[in-house]
Amino acid sequence: GENVEQHPSTLSVQEGDSAVIKCTYSDSASNYFPWYKQELGKRPQLIIDIRSNVGEKKDQRIAVTLNKTAKHFSLHITETQPEDSAVYFCAASRPGNSGGYQKVTFGTGTKLQVIP
Amino acid sequence: ETGVTQTPRHLVMGMTNKKSLKCEQHLGHNAMYWYKQSAKKPLELMFVYNFKEQTENNSVPSRFSPECPNSSHLFLHLHTLQPEDSALYLCASSQVSASGGQDEQFFGPGTRLTVL
Repeated sequence: GENVEQHPSTLSVQEGDSAVIKCTYSDSASNYFPWYKQELGKRPQLIIDIRSNVGEKKDQRIAVTLNKTAKHFSLHITETQPEDSAVYFCAASRPGNSGGYQKVTFGTGTKLQVIP
Repeated sequence: ETGVTQTPRHLVMGMTNKKSLKCEQHLGHNAMYWYKQSAKKPLELMFVYNFKEQTENNSVPSRFSPECPNSSHLFLHLHTLQPEDSALYLCASSQVSASGGQDEQFFGPGTRLTVL
C-alpha cells in the first residue's frame, strides 16, 4: 500500500520567514496531492492541492511543488504570519480499486509555530 | 448547518457500551469516509462508501461497524471498544467521478471519543 512520509514533525519560524514542509510517497498510482491545515480543536481544511500532471501551483503565499520522478512534493509558505500556526498534513491520493472513491494516505503532520 | 456535520461532538463510553456516531453531508457528494485521528499518528482511513456501497475496509476490527443508509448519511456503530480506541473520529465526503477524478475531501468537526 501507499506510504507517505512527512518532515519535519515540528517547525518554528519567525514571523515573515518562509516555511517548507516535505513529503515523499511510494505508490506511483497516486495522482492527487492535497495539503490540509488543522488548527487546534478544528477539522482539517484544504489549503492547496496539486495533480500529477502539474509540477507547481501557487496561491498567494502558499505554493506546492511536485516531482513525480522522485515521488516527492513540498509545501512552501512565504511571509509567514502567526495565524499560519497549525498542524499541516500532506496526503497522496489515488482512485480506489473499484472506482468512484479516493484512497487517501496522510502524512504524520507538521506542527508549524510562527513566532511573532 | 452546511457542509459535513457530526454528532455527538464528544462521547465517553465504557468498554461494554454500545454507541453510534453519526455523519451527515449536505454537499451532494457521492463518497463518504471514516477516519481515525490519534495523537502523534497520521489520519487513518477506516471505511469508504460510494453511493451507499462499502468499497473499502482498511482492516478495521469488527467492534467498529459502519452503516450507510443513503448517500448523505454515514454511521459508525461501536461496541465492546478498548481504551486504545480513544481518538478523534472524523467523517469526510468528496465527489469522485467514475473515471477516478479526485477532488478535495470535506471533513466534519469530528467526534472526540473516550473509552474508559
